[in-house]
Amino acid sequence: DTGVSQNPRHKITKRGQNVTFRCDPISEHNRLYWYRQTLGQGPEFLTYFQNEAQLEKSRLLSDRFSAERPKGSFSTLEIQRTEQGDSAMYLCASSLGRTVQETQYFGPGTRLLVL
Amino acid sequence: AQTVTQSQPEMSVQEAETVTLSCTYDTSESDYYLFWYKQPPSRQMILVIRQEAYKQQNATENRFSVNFQKAAKSFSLKISDSQLGDAAMYFCAYRRSAGANSKLTFGKGITLSVRP
Repeated sequence: DTGVSQNPRHKITKRGQNVTFRCDPISEHNRLYWYRQTLGQGPEFLTYFQNEAQLEKSRLLSDRFSAERPKGSFSTLEIQRTEQGDSAMYLCASSLGRTVQETQYFGPGTRLLVL
Repeated sequence: AQTVTQSQPEMSVQEAETVTLSCTYDTSESDYYLFWYKQPPSRQMILVIRQEAYKQQNATENRFSVNFQKAAKSFSLKISDSQLGDAAMYFCAYRRSAGANSKLTFGKGITLSVRP
């Protein structure tokens, strides 16, 4: 069990550019979540996958955001035409959703700065 | 919609002393889970303790315990014998029990500092 990993850990981009983040969940975890955390705030839910199916998207997820989880393994989160308001920490979490006691394990996050 | 409120932005405790972090929540559901997560500086978030709403007994994990008051919708975390490594941001979180989406709803967090 190597834990949830995220790449890159840091990303600086210019406004208007596209960025893509990757999350590798704990192996065999069928559920994967993306959250966004701004400075001084708690994480906010963005989207959720069960296996390869994206089952829910938050209203926070504008049409510039897209997430995928091909084959139910790793996931990518892409932001198109970045804006300064997109600057935040993007967290990924995974869980084994077989019981109601499931626990979400978080990755270290990708910190995005849009200039 | 469920909401989680942590009204204390910062707290400080002397090493070896006890500190209590407060959290209140609002929900119309009767069955749910509550969590405390710890986020050390520049490190990933880890689960500290979990409470099932249907259980009357307060959860305990070593030096960490909770005071769960369901009627008051209050869920505080008590850290006993505080250690320097306890310094971190602590988040209270809520999760529905039913349904496929087990997304967490977090409070704003509280920054705990430990004085040596």
